[in-house]
Amino acid sequence: GEDVEQSLFLSVREGDSSVINCTYTDSSSTYLYWYKQEPGAGLQLLTYIFSNMDMKQDQRLTVLLNKKDKHLSLRIADTQTGDSAIYFCAEKGSGGYQKVTFGTGTKLQVIP
Amino acid sequence: ETGVTQSPTHLIKTRGQQVTLRCSSQSGHNTVSWYQQALGQGPQFIFQYYREEENGRGNFPPRFSGLQFPNYSSELNVNALELDDSALYLCASHDTGALYEQYFGPGTRLTVT
Repeated sequence: GEDVEQSLFLSVREGDSSVINCTYTDSSSTYLYWYKQEPGAGLQLLTYIFSNMDMKQDQRLTVLLNKKDKHLSLRIADTQTGDSAIYFCAEKGSGGYQKVTFGTGTKLQVIP
Repeated sequence: ETGVTQSPTHLIKTRGQQVTLRCSSQSGHNTVSWYQQALGQGPQFIFQYYREEENGRGNFPPRFSGLQFPNYSSELNVNALELDDSALYLCASHDTGALYEQYFGPGTRLTVT
């Protein structure tokens, strides 16, 4: 079945870049996502990338996809304290129904 | 444009009871999915509704059931509540065919005692 793995924790200094990594097992993934969750809140869609793309940039966010290694990363440039949250990687396979599988999340701590 | 809304925000139930959670999809979205997020975990897919019918289901027992209404809003019903059902229940909506833009509501925190 599908599986998505992430490291649990990342700490960076304000102003530095953050890189959050994710690996997945489903070679037939069609889309991959990054969601952000702040304490006590729902999930905010940050960005998504289609599986036929290698990179997507959106303001401070850069997503890199290595389909051969099934590796996805999210780079946040100029990380701010407001970026402190849990970041979830997720993937949608090519199955008949539209199930999205999430990782366990990476907690990003930004040190002022 | 109205986002995804859920009610209630918090709920406390006793083991064995039944609960109904509600979701209004984002304007223009005709597909609703429900997820369970246990503490410290990522969301787990429960099921999805499209055109008032279940369109896929994750590894959840039949005591988890749902409905979708003509206005695309949805309900999640859980019977015979167990302690392990304590979680944040998230509703997400998207326009069918555009799952890359799936948006989540704020969730309902269910506590089973």
